[in-house]
Amino acid sequence: QQPVQSPQAVILREGEDAVINCSSSKALYSVHWYRQKHGEAPVFLMILLKGGEQKGHDKISASFNEKKQQSSLYLTASQLSYSGTYFCGTEGGSEKLVFGKGTKLTVNP
Amino acid sequence: KAGVTQTPRYLIKTRGQQVTLSCSPISGHRSVSWYQQTPGQGLQFLFEYFSETQRNKGNFPGRFSGRQFSNSRSEMNVSTLELGDSALYLCASSPGQPSGTQYFGPGTRLTVL
Repeated sequence: QQPVQSPQAVILREGEDAVINCSSSKALYSVHWYRQKHGEAPVFLMILLKGGEQKGHDKISASFNEKKQQSSLYLTASQLSYSGTYFCGTEGGSEKLVFGKGTKLTVNP
Repeated sequence: KAGVTQTPRYLIKTRGQQVTLSCSPISGHRSVSWYQQTPGQGLQFLFEYFSETQRNKGNFPGRFSGRQFSNSRSEMNVSTLELGDSALYLCASSPGQPSGTQYFGPGTRLTVL
């Protein structure tokens, strides 16, 4: 079942923070985050596994609440290069990776 | 290592025709997954192949099929094309273990007229 992402779109100014949420109605054992820039393929950001720690990469980090089947992606002090569409992908049970519809992030100067 | 390659990059077909798309995974990767991306639905999983066997399948009609060869290269076939099949078709490879990172190719843009 497709996870639900929120918000659908967000517009920021450089230096501002953003949070993107991903929730599922099914028990999950992993959440993946990808970013896709316009006209390009999705690029892997990070994986969060059940029982694992919060991940981080530079100023982008994520958390995974297993009990609520939710994950959040945190973008701190956003840069112009952060613009793109962010997808979460979830795995649970026998279900292969299922992606949400994406959150379009625009960072303006 | 070379990345995932997909051919062709662009394709225009008419309704009723069939099409075959090709994907070459990263060397050493045994899993290949296919996704359909449209503005309204986002990334929709089609199927995954691992060691020449279909390991998972999404919720698409039987007109969509695929296969994987012994060198891990994969093809996807869509028969009796419909206008709604117009989309970006992405292939992703991974080493094959559960919860593995998916490395996406550039995609094939299919337009059905």
